[in-house]
Amino acid sequence: DGGITQSPKYLFRKEGQNVTLSCEQNLNHDAMYWYRQDPGQGLRLIYYSQIVNDFQKGDIAEGYSVSREKKESFPLTVTSAQKNPTAFYLCASSTTGTGATEAFFGQGTRLTVV
Amino acid sequence: GQQVMQIPQYQHVQEGEDFTTYCNSSTTLSNIQWYKQRPGGHPVFLIQLVKSGEVKKQKRLTFQFGEAKKNSSLHITATQTTDVGTYFCAGKNDYKLSFGAGTTVTVRA
Repeated sequence: DGGITQSPKYLFRKEGQNVTLSCEQNLNHDAMYWYRQDPGQGLRLIYYSQIVNDFQKGDIAEGYSVSREKKESFPLTVTSAQKNPTAFYLCASSTTGTGATEAFFGQGTRLTVV
Repeated sequence: GQQVMQIPQYQHVQEGEDFTTYCNSSTTLSNIQWYKQRPGGHPVFLIQLVKSGEVKKQKRLTFQFGEAKKNSSLHITATQTTDVGTYFCAGKNDYKLSFGAGTTVTVRA
């Protein structure tokens, strides 16, 4: 059953702790993305990767880090430097060809920092 | 950097009426995509437009891509309660996929 999986669905952390969100896909997609969703602000791009071992900062990368050591995995670390980490985080993947390059999204991780 | 702006932010529609949501990019796009997110869910792809001036229809939904490839619109006719949700446009430039803030649609029966 192909798809993109994020875990966990809900995550609670204490302020000042780093936390890593998991994102795995078995769609054989080259491109992967991390977005943050806050009410009324749509989806804001944190990081994206078009190929293994390469990634670029999105619009709100400060306080976040990623790695892309494997094609199917793109974990996101929310560091203690992120001022307002409580949010809904969405991971997506897509092909990079010239045809339809729709993004497939995971179910999301809702992170709450207390 | 590339910015995608979307209006209106909220759309309250009487069932059976039509409405349109608009999307504008600060830069020329290679393609524009539209997604729908139901309450509590994740965005789901609706359509992709690639060509300048392109128009595509999906039943009651009509999507347009502007001639300059910097703007797009989604028009829904005869709104139904199943149309409730948030509609996002997303502009693609190289490999960067940037989303607008979305239009959240509520329907009065």
